[in-house]
Amino acid sequence: QKEVEQDPGPLSVPEGAIVSLNCTYSNSAFQYFMWYRQYSRKGPELLMYTYSSGNKEDGRFTAQVDKSSKYISLFIRDSQPSDSATYLCAMSVPNFGNEKLTFGTGTRLTIIP
Amino acid sequence: GAGVSQSPRYKVAKRGQDVALRCDPISGHVSLFWYQQALGQGPEFLTYFQNEAQLDKSGLPSDRFFAERPEGSVSTLKIQRTQKEDSAVYLCASSLGTGLNTIYFGEGSWLTVV
Repeated sequence: QKEVEQDPGPLSVPEGAIVSLNCTYSNSAFQYFMWYRQYSRKGPELLMYTYSSGNKEDGRFTAQVDKSSKYISLFIRDSQPSDSATYLCAMSVPNFGNEKLTFGTGTRLTIIP
Repeated sequence: GAGVSQSPRYKVAKRGQDVALRCDPISGHVSLFWYQQALGQGPEFLTYFQNEAQLDKSGLPSDRFFAERPEGSVSTLKIQRTQKEDSAVYLCASSLGTGLNTIYFGEGSWLTVV
């Protein structure tokens, strides 16, 4: 069993819908939680970064962490066609600023105009 | 340059050939990571450098994989006697080393072994 589980999708939603993406994890030592967006043939780019349970909002994006359930989510409001990409959750154990990341499989998202 | 630069972007190798993949990190970034991303999968950690020191190579899948960063800047990932299962995107990331929000990924080197 992988340390980080993520539904690979694909997920298709109409423009303007709310998107919910999720990951579960098994390693209790994970303390940092990230969401990356990866466009086709590009490298991952950081969307959201948090280290505590609860919600963190940035524009149309909200990251949610529930450490007690080992479950994290990313919500995208008012989804746009430009949001079509693969979304990767990633987690790490603290290591003085040089943490290696453990990624989920990625969820492929398509926003239909 | 403005971002992490990787070369070649695309490489086709015959099984058994050696390949070398280059990473130019963002100027001033002390930390450098290599990840391997198979098709339809998330990236998996290979190795990590702090300046020229290779502090973690626990993710290298076999002794055919070797990475170096001799002057603490440019890094090379070398794969000897390539096998078909080595086909993947090899991602390089660099960081200031002050936090996860300072990690930036390159666009990757796409390796196909035929």
